Amino acid sequence: DTGVSQNPRHKITKRGQNVTFRCDPISEHNRLYWYRQTLGQGPEFLTYFQNEAQLEKSRLLSDRFSAERPKGSFSTLEIQRTEQGDSAMYLCASLSRWSTQYFGPGTRLTVL
Amino acid sequence: AQKITQTQPGMFVQEKEAVTLDCTYDTSDQSYGLFWYKQPSSGEMIFLIYQGSYDEQNATEGRYSLNFQKARKSANLVISASQLGDSAMYFCAIQGAQKLVFGQGTRLTINP
Repeated sequence: DTGVSQNPRHKITKRGQNVTFRCDPISEHNRLYWYRQTLGQGPEFLTYFQNEAQLEKSRLLSDRFSAERPKGSFSTLEIQRTEQGDSAMYLCASLSRWSTQYFGPGTRLTVL
Repeated sequence: AQKITQTQPGMFVQEKEAVTLDCTYDTSDQSYGLFWYKQPSSGEMIFLIYQGSYDEQNATEGRYSLNFQKARKSANLVISASQLGDSAMYFCAIQGAQKLVFGQGTRLTINP
């Protein structure tokens, strides 16, 4: 399978716990994006990487959020001290050279 | 700033009929791309079709076509011969240099 993969697909956690999500992009795609989608809304941009460099972060990305892409391949998104408002679908996408972003299946986070 | 407006929260269509989903956009960029994605209940964002701002011809991909009217800043998606499997959320998005900006989406229901 050469598509974007994300793990885990579902995560249920208690408020105050830390969670980490992983995204494996399509190989050779050097740009990787993270989006957040709450119920009934379109996805909203969080951050993106060009290779290992994080080039832009949204104001939605509070200090409790951190994203890395250490070797320019997979990326992780960590949320510290989760809050109920963090409950959402977290989507990862990688960019082809023809400017089309291809999305993974997403990680659905539920904070109790 | 870029903005996408989708004015149809929900659409109901009979199977085999054609359907048009509306999308208008706002941008100050000269070069941009317009995208349509389909999101079934599973949550994955599936790329359908792309239109570049400098493309003179409307994009087509199988049963999907994009009715691009640059002067009106509209990029409507046309699905011909709708099928039951077309039932899903549909998102229009615009991309300038970097991230995608999505609209609120339209929920399409195909009735047998």
